[in-house]
Amino acid sequence: GIQVEQSPPDLILQEGANSTLRCNFSDSVNNLQWFHQNPWGQLINLFYIPSGTKQNGRLSATTVATERYSLLYISSSQTTDSGVYFCAVEAWETSGSRLTFGEGTQLTVNP
Amino acid sequence: SAVISQKPSRDICQRGTSLTIQCQVDSQVTMMFWYRQQPGQSLTLIATANQGSEATYESGFVIDKFPISRPNLTFSTLTVSNMSPEDSSIYLCSVDSGMGANVLTFGAGSRLTVL
Repeated sequence: GIQVEQSPPDLILQEGANSTLRCNFSDSVNNLQWFHQNPWGQLINLFYIPSGTKQNGRLSATTVATERYSLLYISSSQTTDSGVYFCAVEAWETSGSRLTFGEGTQLTVNP
Repeated sequence: SAVISQKPSRDICQRGTSLTIQCQVDSQVTMMFWYRQQPGQSLTLIATANQGSEATYESGFVIDKFPISRPNLTFSTLTVSNMSPEDSSIYLCSVDSGMGANVLTFGAGSRLTVL
């Protein structure tokens, strides 16, 4: 099956700093999503981005499908950005809408 | 997008018992997905539940251990049977948000601790 690697595994920032999270995947995808899991466990869908660039406030994401990676940018980080960021992909050859999740990046933003 | 309610939010269970988790969606959805998140780990898909048919289980998950019901288009249950401490996890229900292309919305999860 498709492999998803996220980096870095852990990231500690001071409030106000910027960061870039990376997601590499091993095969062509027709679906890529970024999620944020807050410290209470709730998963929030940030972006659906199988290709191209999107922005939502302080967050933006870029997927370069031909090179099999996606980046999530967080600008002017806030303590509420803390949590785990997951990348999830669905490969072209799979059926049944099956998403494979990466291992996540644990982000801690200190005041 | 769809709003999902999961019950229980958390529970502490004894080894050997079974627990049923409920997932209620505020709109009709074709497919519902059940995921498991073991402590400190990523999410793993357990099964996909379609209304009116048997659930489709992923490799490593079997119906005897994780029976699923899907009686209508807004509701599903996942039972964790004959629990052991290794079943301590967050169990999450997920549906297509309705934005197309399998963009997932998740419930708040059910955090189970098995003693």
